[in-house]
Formats: sequence, C-alpha cells, structure tokens
Amino acid sequence: EPEVTQTPSHQVTQMGQEVILRCVPISNHLYFYWYRQILGQKVEFLVSFYNNEISEKSEIFDDQFSVERPDGSNFTLKIRSTKLEDSAMYFCATQGTPMNTEAFFGQGTRLTVV
Amino acid sequence: GENVEQHPSTLSVQEGDSAVIKCTYSDSASNYFPWYKQELGKGPQLIIDIRSNVGEKKDQRIAVTLNKTAKHFSLHITETQPEDSAVYFCASHGSGNTGKLIFGQGTTLQVKP
Repeated sequence: EPEVTQTPSHQVTQMGQEVILRCVPISNHLYFYWYRQILGQKVEFLVSFYNNEISEKSEIFDDQFSVERPDGSNFTLKIRSTKLEDSAMYFCATQGTPMNTEAFFGQGTRLTVV
Repeated sequence: GENVEQHPSTLSVQEGDSAVIKCTYSDSASNYFPWYKQELGKGPQLIIDIRSNVGEKKDQRIAVTLNKTAKHFSLHITETQPEDSAVYFCASHGSGNTGKLIFGQGTTLQVKP
C-alpha cells in the first residue's frame, strides 16, 4: 500500500533554532499539504503546495514558515526561529487530485521546542 | 469562517454496542466529507468518506450519513470492538479548490471489553 513517509519522527530543538521537517510523498501524487496538531487539539491546516508553489496558506503559516520541494521528491517544511508554541505534531499529506479524493497522511513529526 | 464542529469529545461504549459521532459544517459549498481514525502516535487514516451526491454510505461495520440541508454528517460504528478505540476526526473540504481539509475537534472513542 502506498504511504507518505516523514522524517524525523521526533525532533527536539532549542528555541530560536531552525528546523526542517521532511516528507516523501506518494510517487504519483501532485498535491501536498502540511498540517499541525498541538497536543490534544484538532488537526489544523497550514499550507497546500502544487506545481512548485504555495496554493493556499492559513493564518498560522506566517513568515516563520516556508515550504519547498528542492529535489523533486522530498517536500519540506522549514520553521525559522522556533518558538515554544511551535511544539506540535506536524503531518504531511498528499493527494492525487485536490478535490473529493483521499488525503494520505504521514505518521507525523513530533516537534518539541525547549 | 470555515468551521467543523464535532460531538461528543469523548465516547465510551461496551463492546458490541454502537457508537455515533456527529459533525456539522459551515461552508455550504463543501461537497466531500472524510472520516479519519487516529491511533496513538500515528497519523490520521481515512476510514470512510462521503460525497455530497449521496446521503449514506456503508462499509462493513462503518456507515456515514450526510444531510446537506442541515449541513451535518454522522459516523456510525456498529458491533464495536476494542480495536475500534481511537480518536476519530470528521473533516470537510475548505473553500477554494486546493483540497485543504477542515477538521473537527476529534472524538476519543473507548470500547470496553
């Protein structure tokens, strides 16, 4: 069964440091997403990405965040100057088409900012 | 703004009983409603979805109903088993065509053996 792979599974970083979260999408998928889940809360949309550009972003996704697909395979989320409140699970999701089809989620990266 | 409300937040049932989780959504243009199951330490996994052109869909012990007029949809699990214990999220597509999902708050289902 195809799957979305995320690395690392757990990242601990000091406040103010930069982190890069990585995702390997399902091979024939073209639509990529990042979501965030603060402990015990709902899953929240951060950003959608298609054709090498952001197609939509939420209010959470401010200048501290960026995404790219540098080598045509990995899809990355970079968080600059991390804050304590960035601590959360970050999920990558991919879809073959943007509407009315299943979004496949990775297992997540747990980010802990200390 | 776009919003999905989910109830209850926790649900405890005896093995073999049925469980029902309800969601309402705000965007009348939404036409795709997936349900995800999240086990501890894992990412959400799709268990069933429904599109707005149907009112009900069933897959073995799981069924989903949709009322577009009232803007609510429900998940029904029959003959619950301990392995059904997990957090369940409803979702709908947000406005626009980017495919983003708006999630409900989640329901922690506990099935007691």
